[in-house]
Amino acid sequence: ETGVTQTPRHLVMGMTNKKSLKCEQHLGHNAMYWYKQSAKKPLELMFVYNFKEQTENNSVPSRFSPECPNSSHLFLHLHTLQPEDSALYLCASSQPGTGNTEAFFGQGTRLTVV
Amino acid sequence: GESVGLHLPTLSVQEGDNSIINCAYSNSASDYFIWYKQESGKGPQFIIDIRSNMDKRQGQRVTVLLNKTVKHLSLQIAATQPGDSAVYFCAAGREGGSYIPTFGRGTSLIVHP
Repeated sequence: ETGVTQTPRHLVMGMTNKKSLKCEQHLGHNAMYWYKQSAKKPLELMFVYNFKEQTENNSVPSRFSPECPNSSHLFLHLHTLQPEDSALYLCASSQPGTGNTEAFFGQGTRLTVV
Repeated sequence: GESVGLHLPTLSVQEGDNSIINCAYSNSASDYFIWYKQESGKGPQFIIDIRSNMDKRQGQRVTVLLNKTVKHLSLQIAATQPGDSAVYFCAAGREGGSYIPTFGRGTSLIVHP
């Protein structure tokens, strides 16, 4: 256990569905991240939140909508996705400004868009 | 922007051998470098990091070497065990802000008993 929990672990959704991914950490970290991991590609940073404020949006299509209600929770709302959005979506958290570079990752949500 | 890449997609070793996984990066302004391990069905897990003002750092059974001249990073695993089988990622980043590393493609380490 890394202290970062993602739900659900697996999700199958149609292209017209709306679903949400959830991430939770109780490590006291102030920064949270969404990454996309596709086969044979490097991890792609999607969004960064620092103290609940979005500090980075890495040119992610608007069909992905993040939400960070507090420093412990991060959501990724999905709507009208495409089959190429099928991937492993990873959430991570870290504590910037402490000199500690370690990011703690959740186990990911395996998303399949049909 | 930062570009980070691993040299080999797959590395096969025998149990007990030493493993060396290599990585190249493009941004000479990177302040730190990290190695992550990702086992099947899990998220990446931090192994070790090294600052740009160092050229070597040792952990438990792992050593990271940094050669800034050729922008090369390596992870050495001593006495590789079957439990070391995983995908290994290198990442590079700059300090300030959220410590957002840029990840390279992974190297799949396969340890044969």
